[in-house]
Amino acid sequence: SQTIHQWPATLVQPVGSPLSLECTVEGTSNPNLYWYRQAAGRGLQLLFYSVGIGQISSEVPQNLSASRPQDRQFILSSKKLLLSDSGFYLCAWNSEGDGYTFGSGTRLTVV
Amino acid sequence: AQSVTQPDIHITVSEGASLELRCNYSYGATPYLFWYVQSPGQGLQLLLKYFSGDTLVQGIKGFEAEFKRSQSSFNLRKPSVHWSDAAEYFCAVGRGTTDSWGKLQFGAGTQVVVTP
Repeated sequence: SQTIHQWPATLVQPVGSPLSLECTVEGTSNPNLYWYRQAAGRGLQLLFYSVGIGQISSEVPQNLSASRPQDRQFILSSKKLLLSDSGFYLCAWNSEGDGYTFGSGTRLTVV
Repeated sequence: AQSVTQPDIHITVSEGASLELRCNYSYGATPYLFWYVQSPGQGLQLLLKYFSGDTLVQGIKGFEAEFKRSQSSFNLRKPSVHWSDAAEYFCAVGRGTTDSWGKLQFGAGTQVVVTP
């Protein structure tokens, strides 16, 4: 069966520090992968999506970047975190138009 | 541009009562429509989806939704709410083209509180 793993679950980082969030998918190949951010009391905002290795599309200009070094690995990064980067980050994948499967999320607090 | 509106930010319902969550979308082509549920601190779980065919869709946990093209709506319903249904619910719409069908636009969510 297909599963999606996301870590860490929670993270507290100081302003200006780097960030690396990892997402891996099991049980499928060549998935479409997505990073969403959910700010407190708000809906989900699509940050990045990838349809294959090394293929990254950015939806909004921001302080973050994404990479896909392997077929089932999707990484969200930042060189220097801002306070406004705080939020709940969700990785998701879909295949065959069947909606999304979400990871359990990472709660990032920038202090 | 596509958009999704969930008019109700917060709904309080008694356990055992019926629940209806509203979702309106704006989209220029055949939409793919989804409802997701999120428990506190958790990821989102798919409740049901509509791609085509029968406009009344059955999902998990006793939920159903009805697609009404004339009203651009995809409202979620449950006849009898359980305390475990307390969560946040998101409506989402996806594009119906093969090159970008996977990108979903989410509504702002509706928080459901269930009282005894």
